[in-house]
Amino acid sequence: DIQMTQSPSSLSASVGDRVTITCRASQGISNYLAWYQQKPGKVPKLLIYAASTLQSGVPSRFSGSGSGTDFTLTISSLQPEDVATYYCQKYNSAPSITFGQGTRLEIK
Amino acid sequence: QVQLVQSGAEVKKPGASVKVSCKVSGYTLTELSMHWVRQAPGKGLEWMGGFDPEDGETIYAQKFQGRVTMTEDTSTDTAYMELSSLRSEDTAVYYCATGPHRYSGSYYNYWGQGTLVTVSS
Repeated sequence: DIQMTQSPSSLSASVGDRVTITCRASQGISNYLAWYQQKPGKVPKLLIYAASTLQSGVPSRFSGSGSGTDFTLTISSLQPEDVATYYCQKYNSAPSITFGQGTRLEIK
Repeated sequence: QVQLVQSGAEVKKPGASVKVSCKVSGYTLTELSMHWVRQAPGKGLEWMGGFDPEDGETIYAQKFQGRVTMTEDTSTDTAYMELSSLRSEDTAVYYCATGPHRYSGSYYNYWGQGTLVTVSS
């Protein structure tokens, strides 16, 4: 099975900072990569799909990049409401859809 | 706009089964590929299985093979997830989730509100 490894597992940044979260696949997955945001006690929210396509309604400070095995989620200017846990997900083949372990983002 | 409304919280004893429902509105089930994801307390997201439109079959994560059954009632646009032989490690919030249409790929822009299943003796 293809494994998805996110880093860091947690990070603390200041409002206005540029924040980058990475996700690495153990094998190439083309661009079949999605990113989700989950705030405490809430349902996950889709941010990015196809590695770099911004879901409708998501603020433009969020962006995704990468292809193959290495992917990044970037928040260009961190806002207080971005405090959440972020997950990557590979979805290139139904039998082995996998989420990363999550990255907890806090405000410094 | 798709809405997914799940059944209420359940408390089950070890060894029992649980069946969670997910009612679709705004679309019909045949226009979507429904999947199920769970999240244990304080843990990450775990894919359980879902409909594969390429094969026309439901695919299950290997971890749950033999213990989970996902079904659909297209007459009522309701999806079901039944998990058997419950153990304490199955205590989690169970979500139904789907993409914008049947062939969009298995990313999820629509989620149910979640159903807490507690397994306790």
